[in-house]
Amino acid sequence: QVQLVQSGAEVKKPGASVKVSCKVSGYTLTELSMHWVRQAPGKGLEWMGGFDPEDGETIYAQKFQGRVTMTEDTSTDTAYMELSSLRSEDTAVYYCAHRPRGSLLWFGELSNWGQGTLVTVSS
Amino acid sequence: QSVLTQPPSVSGAPGQRVTISCTGSSSNIGAGYDVHWYQQLPGTAPKLLIYGNSNRPSGVPDRFSGSKSGTSASLAISGLQAEDEADYYCQSYDSSLSGSVFGGGTKLTVL
Repeated sequence: QVQLVQSGAEVKKPGASVKVSCKVSGYTLTELSMHWVRQAPGKGLEWMGGFDPEDGETIYAQKFQGRVTMTEDTSTDTAYMELSSLRSEDTAVYYCAHRPRGSLLWFGELSNWGQGTLVTVSS
Repeated sequence: QSVLTQPPSVSGAPGQRVTISCTGSSSNIGAGYDVHWYQQLPGTAPKLLIYGNSNRPSGVPDRFSGSKSGTSASLAISGLQAEDEADYYCQSYDSSLSGSVFGGGTKLTVL
């Protein structure tokens, strides 16, 4: 069974960057297509981007293009999401989640989620 | 404003059946893209409930069912239990946005 364990809560000032990690166990990261979803306090889920294993590229939501970078370290089976130029509206819980192993499409259901990482942006 | 529209809240008594709608458009559900549903219990991460419009992952009770027609999809929960009280989200792909999209979420209250 796949487990996703995320890094701890962060507090950042406006204008700074944050990098959240997601450690995979049970499978190797190369077997999965990892996505990132965030949830502002009291709000709904917002998809940020995901990995297309066929092209080897990450697809970012238009809203976050230019401000988010998703990377992977296959030697440690850890995925990362870095968000820059933080503003108060970026205060949210950030989740990593993956597509089912062996999925032919990069988009679709997210079968397993990390526990979430709270990022607070405050001066 | 979410691309996929869900009612903010629904409620039902224990044992009853409730449905949650998810309305999209011709660039997502109406274009034939699958709809998936998630259950989020208070203070926890979302959990996949229904995938591919109507399929249940292993371990999800058959009280939960999904359907899709035209530009909309629905999640039905029968035999409501207190433990079903949670937020429910639909998800699909949108070709205009070239990415995944979620509904705004529906809070289910078990009376």
